[in-house]
Amino acid sequence: EVHLVESGGGLVKPGGSLRLSCSASGFTFSNAWMSWVRQAPGKGLEWVGRIKSQGDGATTDYAAPVKGRFTISRDDSKNTVYLQMSSLKIEDSAVYFCTKGARRPTTGWPQNWFDPWGQGTLVTVSS
Amino acid sequence: DIQMTQSPSTLSAFIGDRVTITCRASQSISTWLAWYQQKPGKAPKLLIYDASTLESGVPSRFSGSGSGTDFTLTINNLQADDSATYYCQQFHTFVTFGPGTKVDIK
Repeated sequence: EVHLVESGGGLVKPGGSLRLSCSASGFTFSNAWMSWVRQAPGKGLEWVGRIKSQGDGATTDYAAPVKGRFTISRDDSKNTVYLQMSSLKIEDSAVYFCTKGARRPTTGWPQNWFDPWGQGTLVTVSS
Repeated sequence: DIQMTQSPSTLSAFIGDRVTITCRASQSISTWLAWYQQKPGKAPKLLIYDASTLESGVPSRFSGSGSGTDFTLTINNLQADDSATYYCQQFHTFVTFGPGTKVDIK
């Protein structure tokens, strides 16, 4: 069974840093494009960014609100993807989900629809 | 950036009703669209991708249609378990989610 488990959330002061982890199991992690999506309390879903597989260069892309402050990395030996967050702002407060990008069933090409998702970890930025 | 809108923002319907949610993209995204269901305190669940392809295991009362800029999610024979918030998501250019539609049962 495919499983994603986030950890590392907590309370941090504005301007501070935090690293989230997402541990994966049940699939070939090294082939997967992994994304982070966040959800502020009572709000909708917001894509944070993505890291491609090593085979696709392990390149990263980020949403504008976090570009330059957040960094996504992966350790395929540990089946884990990370989200390093720095210069945190109050508006970064949210539940952070990690999620696996799909591969098109017919061709195997990576796609940016997401399944499954982890249960999320809460980040609160407050003084 | 591609912006996504959804309507209505909330709706209330009876068990057994047919429900339709609309999603619109700010520019053409072909059929690069997915739909998710999210219940309170839970992670989103993939329902549909490529605008109309039902994810394995999702009940057939869910269906999707559309292409270009206008898309719909239809729930036939609404069930109590369908009470949730539904999000569309484009993956034509990076990723953008719609603001969500909350479906309540009367």
